[in-house]
Amino acid sequence: RKEVEQDPGPFNVPEGATVAFNCTYSNSASQSFFWYRQDCRKEPKLLMSVYSSGNEDGRFTAQLNRASQYISLLIRDSKLSDSATYLCVVITDGSGNTGKLIFGQGTTLQVKP
Amino acid sequence: GAVVSQHPSWVICKSGTSVKIECRSLDFQATTMFWYRQFPKQSLMLMATSNEGSKATYEQGVEKDKFLINHASLTLSTLTVTSAHPEDSSFYICSVTQGFGNTIYFGEGSWLTVV
Repeated sequence: RKEVEQDPGPFNVPEGATVAFNCTYSNSASQSFFWYRQDCRKEPKLLMSVYSSGNEDGRFTAQLNRASQYISLLIRDSKLSDSATYLCVVITDGSGNTGKLIFGQGTTLQVKP
Repeated sequence: GAVVSQHPSWVICKSGTSVKIECRSLDFQATTMFWYRQFPKQSLMLMATSNEGSKATYEQGVEKDKFLINHASLTLSTLTVTSAHPEDSSFYICSVTQGFGNTIYFGEGSWLTVV
């Protein structure tokens, strides 16, 4: 079983749609959680951190459910520019600033006009 | 501006030759850097943890004699792909973690094509 699992998609949605991505992780000792965005042939860029209380940044909402070991990302009012691959990322070995990142496979989003 | 600089961005080399990729932390000292590899349509996979002044820690299945890592200073880690083969063609990317808040910075990545 992969440590971090995502549905690879692709998710094809019209502009203005709301879309949700899910991610599950296997290590209950995981400490930190993130959503990254990766555009084609580019490095990943941090979209947002994910907290147990849930957090929102504009059109993006992230949720963490530790009991179910489940992370979600909700995108409202999709824009063409949201088309990218969204990576679920987990840190399982904290040790202060030496945490290793475990990446999910990524979920591809295509927003159509 | 960039916090982590990676060079080269693109490299094409002949099979059997070696290629060196550099990862520089521009704004802060980094005792630890991470090297990842990403094959097309796959996720980033951690290859190794680069430790300043000591040996790198390699993930299972990664050949340490093939992927040489040197972290001789607090701002520079290098990954050398030795005796490269076409199957080593991939996107290689480094990351640096700053502080206990786990702010993670990625280099721009390096596309390696072995012909």
